[in-house]
Amino acid sequence: DAMVIQNPRYQVTQFGKPVTLSCSQTLNHNVMYWYQQKSSQAPKLLFHYYDKDFNNEADTPDNFQSRRPNTSFCFLDIRSPGLGDAAMYLCATSTSTSGFTDTQYFGPGTRLTVL
Amino acid sequence: GEDVEQSLFLSVREGDSSVINCTYTDSSSTYLYWYKQEPGAGLQLLTYIFSNMDMKQDQRLTVLLNKKDKHLSLRIADTQTGDSAIYFCAESHILTGGGNKLTFGTGTQLKVEL
Repeated sequence: DAMVIQNPRYQVTQFGKPVTLSCSQTLNHNVMYWYQQKSSQAPKLLFHYYDKDFNNEADTPDNFQSRRPNTSFCFLDIRSPGLGDAAMYLCATSTSTSGFTDTQYFGPGTRLTVL
Repeated sequence: GEDVEQSLFLSVREGDSSVINCTYTDSSSTYLYWYKQEPGAGLQLLTYIFSNMDMKQDQRLTVLLNKKDKHLSLRIADTQTGDSAIYFCAESHILTGGGNKLTFGTGTQLKVEL
């Protein structure tokens, strides 16, 4: 089945130790998004790729970076995780043509714990 | 500005109808969405409504949109225990760089009791 896959589902890292979260999709969607969802809060957009173009939200900390080597894969890199970065990280995809929005489909998320 | 609000909790008995409400502030939103999130899981798209519609029905789900009051509701008929989850409404904005940004509400935790 076509879907959005996130690996790993659970990630534990140490304070300050870089970590990479992975997202892949078989939907062939041109837009990929990363959201951060802290406990009992709404998901918040960090950044997104429109094809190969990276778009950062104004309030996303510099500690968060992203790579999209091809249409199917997108990575979230946290350079120096702090305790406040513990959260669920959600990847989503959509297909978007100029002037129209399209539905975002979410992966199952990666729960990050920072020790 | 972007601000989407929902009540935090709703408790209903199995078999009753549930109504989850949402208010939003940005009248330029083209689509409004309802997502369901079960514990420890990602977001599952339930339904959506285009901003020029006032109602959409999809099996047990009915979405009502009052654009004048910027009020959105989700009605679940014949609520089952499997419907227990957090429900998020979201408004959608087209991004200048392409794609669209979802601004989510605070989420409503629905508890279905036997």
